[in-house]
Amino acid sequence: QSVLTQPPSVYAASGQKVTISCSGSSFNTGKYYVSWYQQFPGTTPKLLIYDDYQRPSGIPDRFSGSKSGTSATLGITGLQTGDEADYYCGAWDGSLNAYVFGSGTKVTVL
Amino acid sequence: QVQLVESGGGFVKPGGSLRLSCAASGFAFSDYYMTWIRQAPGKGLEWLSYISTSAKTILYAPSLEGRFTISRDNAKNTVYLQMDNLRADDTAVYYCARWGPLDYWGQGTLVTVSS
Repeated sequence: QSVLTQPPSVYAASGQKVTISCSGSSFNTGKYYVSWYQQFPGTTPKLLIYDDYQRPSGIPDRFSGSKSGTSATLGITGLQTGDEADYYCGAWDGSLNAYVFGSGTKVTVL
Repeated sequence: QVQLVESGGGFVKPGGSLRLSCAASGFAFSDYYMTWIRQAPGKGLEWLSYISTSAKTILYAPSLEGRFTISRDNAKNTVYLQMDNLRADDTAVYYCARWGPLDYWGQGTLVTVSS
């Protein structure tokens, strides 16, 4: 059972927009920055979003992050088949004194 | 360019030990906290530990129950993870990453614990 809750899967057609939610608590997402990671099967996770909405250099603006209260959201616009991957949110948890990840969301392009 | 290269994984029996290494290059290693994260087969990501620049601050995931020890050698640009009393559920790919945010990750090293 992950501390951060994500939907197991989301689906959308090519070219459409998809959003992934990450629900936490006042101990983690409500107090600390949220990051998002993209992982293709058999490969290393890659940082997509940090500090709730910042994109590292090289990440296209099709990827966006937002947060309201204890819930964070990753948005992907102009969905491409190359975006099919697992996406994880992560944040510090001040109660556990540990970094916690969501359980991951698999994005499928229809 | 930033590179993190893990090594030291392999096959070990329950109760055994392994020491993982993560060699860093392409950035000022001694200026960054470093961290270890693992991923069991078919499962999600699990944070394990981080270590501050001078090793004065170290934190571990509560689930490790004191079996793992993180350390670093700034002269060698390397961070280590000593893993003792290994169990079958420690079987995973182990990644090192640069901390805050987790902006660079190594390719991972596989640890298999089985009798």
